[in-house]
Amino acid sequence: DAKTTQPPSMDCAEGRAANLPCNHSTISGNEYVYWYRQIHSQGPQYIIHGLKNNETNEMASLIITEDRKSSTLILPHATLRDTAVYYCIDGYSTLTFGKGTMLLVSP
Amino acid sequence: EAQVTQNPRYLITVTGKKLTVTCSQNMNHEYMSWYRQDPGLGLRQIYYSMNVEVTDKGDVPEGYKVSRKEKRNFPLILESPSPNQTSLYFCASGPDTEAFFGQGTRLTVV
Repeated sequence: DAKTTQPPSMDCAEGRAANLPCNHSTISGNEYVYWYRQIHSQGPQYIIHGLKNNETNEMASLIITEDRKSSTLILPHATLRDTAVYYCIDGYSTLTFGKGTMLLVSP
Repeated sequence: EAQVTQNPRYLITVTGKKLTVTCSQNMNHEYMSWYRQDPGLGLRQIYYSMNVEVTDKGDVPEGYKVSRKEKRNFPLILESPSPNQTSLYFCASGPDTEAFFGQGTRLTVV
């Protein structure tokens, strides 16, 4: 079973930042935090991952708390095409998907 | 372009008729895996392969077989499909740090 906890749904206005939280209170020292998203029954798409430090790439930023028990995925300027289910996963060698957060970006 | 290609994309079959869903990747990845996705149950791993000739069961392997004779291909075999295997199937290639997923195969077993 998935070990992370995410809100089932969130709304965001187009152009605003979307901040998606995730709790992973049982994460162990060598486990990463991964974020993937799935747009309407397409294959999941990798977004970003991190171990301890905050990370940023062209898609998003990942903020991991110092105790590593939670993290936040930030989409700085959400667009309609960012509407998707976002999955937060903690692990080392296998991706175990939970139910994720359905992010709805509205005009 | 990095690609994971699954075929077919859609398949309707009858109970008991053997079928194979193919998966091919062009990224020279050692790790490949298969998932199924069902409403309310999310994505669940069926089988994975760490390298050629090395495969192992995931969370829901019953009723499925896989083979890994060459690095680029990882077919999923249903020897005797049953209606409870009606699902959306995804092949994935690559490490967890950036796994690439195929576009999915929607299988209906009647």
